[in-house]
Amino acid sequence: NAGVTQTPKFQVLKTGQSMTLQCAQDMNHEYMSWYRQDPGMGLRLIHYSVGAGITDQGEVPNGYNVSRSTTEDFPLRLLSAAPSQTSVYFCASSYGLNLNTEAFFGQGTRLTVV
Amino acid sequence: DAKTTQPNSMESNEEEPVHLPCNHSTISGTDYIHWYRQLPSQGPEYVIHGLTSNVNNRMASLAIAEDRKSSTLILHRATLRDAAVYYCILSYTGTASKLTFGTGTRLQVTL
Repeated sequence: NAGVTQTPKFQVLKTGQSMTLQCAQDMNHEYMSWYRQDPGMGLRLIHYSVGAGITDQGEVPNGYNVSRSTTEDFPLRLLSAAPSQTSVYFCASSYGLNLNTEAFFGQGTRLTVV
Repeated sequence: DAKTTQPNSMESNEEEPVHLPCNHSTISGTDYIHWYRQLPSQGPEYVIHGLTSNVNNRMASLAIAEDRKSSTLILHRATLRDAAVYYCILSYTGTASKLTFGTGTRLQVTL
């Protein structure tokens, strides 16, 4: 059971480049989320999804796009990378609305924008 | 969203119990209390959660005050592998996808 898988683990981008961070889960979870973590800080929510075809913004959505075409996958797209997006990105998944259960996190993608 | 307050850091000796406090004086009746921890260079990991009653699992115990304005995560015998940042988070039912992380408590465990 792989859980939540994020790729790549590390990435260096130049300012203005675009890229997609991949996230996949094999637990048939309805809920998926993207967070970013800056040094010395807690995680901040970027975007989340409560099911295939449904996404919504979190606390810091600017500069990021998401889509959820399948239950398993929730990619995060950086449209035009900026140095302020240098961070560690975590994807998470959890069961649906009426079950107050745990969230499972991936191992993270460390992104540097130069 | 209701907020939580935790000490920035705590220290413990190995094989001794650790009590990690969390204040949440504005908690609402439907907020669950969740604890996650983050080991170095890893994603957060679920530890335990509860609503009103004390909870135990294989990792830890959660003691919730009667008025629910505070809680304590108890690690019964700390090991070096428990050194991590511990986050206390309030979660309304169904919002496991939208966790609000503070800065947590950094636990150091020494021999």
